[in-house]
Amino acid sequence: QLQLQESGPGLVKPSETLSLTCAVSGGSISSTNYYWVWIRQPPGKGLEWIGSVHYSGTAHYNPSLESRVTISVDTSKNQFSLNLSSVTAADTAIYYCADTIFGVVTDAFDIWGRGTMVTVSS
Amino acid sequence: EIVLTQSPDFQSVTPKEKVTITCRASQSIGSSLHWYQQKPDQSPKLLIKYASQSFSGVPSRFSGSGSGTDFTLTINSLEAEDAAMYYCHQSSTLPLTFGGGTKVEIK
Repeated sequence: QLQLQESGPGLVKPSETLSLTCAVSGGSISSTNYYWVWIRQPPGKGLEWIGSVHYSGTAHYNPSLESRVTISVDTSKNQFSLNLSSVTAADTAIYYCADTIFGVVTDAFDIWGRGTMVTVSS
Repeated sequence: EIVLTQSPDFQSVTPKEKVTITCRASQSIGSSLHWYQQKPDQSPKLLIKYASQSFSGVPSRFSGSGSGTDFTLTINSLEAEDAAMYYCHQSSTLPLTFGGGTKVEIK
């Protein structure tokens, strides 16, 4: 059974870059059957799709974040990563990684990590 | 961007009652609509995919219907463990978007 686990700093300073990793276990990140996804949720608020990446490197981003976001895959470590630059307090959120059911970006998210809280503060 | 509007925002329900949550899309999305349940301090869990397909392991009291712009999540015979936030999500068009959520409370 596929499992996902987020990791990274819980505190990031304003204007710096937020970097998170999602470790994939129970399956290969190189499988064509998945897109790998980042979603976030500000405290007490709803869900926002950040972006999705295929192991081939094809990535799709939310236009609201596209200028600041990079999502990449590391097949050697069976993990994928999120970099969000020039962060502000508005980027404070729980960050989740997830995958899609099929190998298409336009799909439901069936497996989610437990999430990691990131606070942007000096 | 496709906007998803959920209603109601909040619902307080007695156990064994039926719960109906609606999700309206700002334009037609076919059947590319999915429902998630999120309990406090947990990550969301997929309940229904593609409007009406139950996801593996989800209790049969959860069902979905609809197509185009109007969708419904129904919980038949609500149980105490169903207290949670419920979100719809469209995957028809990028950017992928979520509804604002519906909180279901047990009376």
